[in-house]
Amino acid sequence: DTGVSQNPRHKITKRGQNVTFRCDPISEHNRLYWYRQTLGQGPEFLTYFQNEAQLEKSRLLSDRFSAERPKGSFSTLEIQRTEQGDSAMYLCASSLDRGGGYTFGSGTRLTVV
Amino acid sequence: AQSVTQPDIHITVSEGASLELRCNYSYGATPYLFWYVQSPGQGLQLLLKYFSGDTLVQGIKGFEAEFKRSQSSFNLRKPSVHWSDAAEYFCAVGAHSGGGADGLTFGKGTHLIIQP
Repeated sequence: DTGVSQNPRHKITKRGQNVTFRCDPISEHNRLYWYRQTLGQGPEFLTYFQNEAQLEKSRLLSDRFSAERPKGSFSTLEIQRTEQGDSAMYLCASSLDRGGGYTFGSGTRLTVV
Repeated sequence: AQSVTQPDIHITVSEGASLELRCNYSYGATPYLFWYVQSPGQGLQLLLKYFSGDTLVQGIKGFEAEFKRSQSSFNLRKPSVHWSDAAEYFCAVGAHSGGGADGLTFGKGTHLIIQP
């Protein structure tokens, strides 16, 4: 068990560019979550997968955001046409079941300049 | 909709002193409750969780929390803090099985400062 892995750790991009983040959950965990955390705030739920199915999406997830988990293993979060307001820490978490302890990755810090 | 309030943005405690971080939640049914700790630039580490049963929950690093349904609270305590406890602490609520959204709702966090 190597924990939840997120890549890259840091990403600086110019406004208007597209970015993609990757999350590798704990291998036996079938649930995968994406959260966004801005400075001085708690994490905010973005979306949730059970295996390969995306079952929930927050209203925070605008049309510019898309997430996939093609084979029920790793997941990607893509942001198109980035805006300065997208600057945040993007956290991935996984769990075995609904009530399980959610294990978080170290996050990807996005800076849009 | 569920919500979490952490009334204290910052708390300063002397090393060796006791600690209590407050958390109040709003949820229409039986919640799952969590406390996480976050060091600067890092992800979140689970300290403890409450699902059901004994309302006093023991966690890692000497932390404990008590679920009080009548007060909608889940306060975190530690009898004697160490300098390494300085971090950001988040309380979170999740829906119990059988209904509600799956994602966790977090409070805004309490920044813990340890004085030597």
